[in-house]
Amino acid sequence: KAGVTQTPRYLIKTRGQQVTLSCSPISGHRSVSWYQQTPGQGLQFLFEYFSETQRNKGNFPGRFSGRQFSNSRSEMNVSTLELGDSALYLCASSPAFEGVGYTFGSGTRLTVV
Amino acid sequence: EDQVTQSPEALRLQEGESSSLNCSYTVSGLRGLFWYRQDPGKGPEFLFTLYSAGEEKEKERLKATLTKKESFLHITAPKPEDSATYLCAVTMNSGYSTLTFGKGTMLLVSP
Repeated sequence: KAGVTQTPRYLIKTRGQQVTLSCSPISGHRSVSWYQQTPGQGLQFLFEYFSETQRNKGNFPGRFSGRQFSNSRSEMNVSTLELGDSALYLCASSPAFEGVGYTFGSGTRLTVV
Repeated sequence: EDQVTQSPEALRLQEGESSSLNCSYTVSGLRGLFWYRQDPGKGPEFLFTLYSAGEEKEKERLKATLTKKESFLHITAPKPEDSATYLCAVTMNSGYSTLTFGKGTMLLVSP
């Protein structure tokens, strides 16, 4: 059974640019969440999508956005990149049933220079 | 403010030396508490979900317990392959799908 696939694995961008990250959830999982992981702040919730609708949003600026497609695949976009956006971005999927944990992908390592 | 605090930040054990990791939480309306394991360069790997005080779950050398204020991850006779960062996270009745994570405990098991 394929896991959560995130692409690309590594990315280097320049300040001011924008970036789009992709996440393919486990087949049958309709909930996709995004998290940012940094050494100082740990894992922080960005947003969650369920059936193409944003269900929850974390405390991040509007430069961070996302969407989910009808096949449950999700993308997140960061515009006007800042140095502080350098982080590991993790996607997690869930069938949204109680007792079933969220499965994480390996993440996209974004470096902003 | 909802908080999840893990201790210790780092723990070094000898192979076979049992110990416990702590996760204390201050949240309004706990829905579930999750334990994850994270290896360097990888995403967190799901271990357990606990929902009510008194609940316990086991998997190989790991056992997770839950009280009204904290959770423990007991590691019995650890092996070097148990070395990883262990993360605790909670979901709440409001925004129940959102995981709020602690900073993690970095465990190193020496042979």
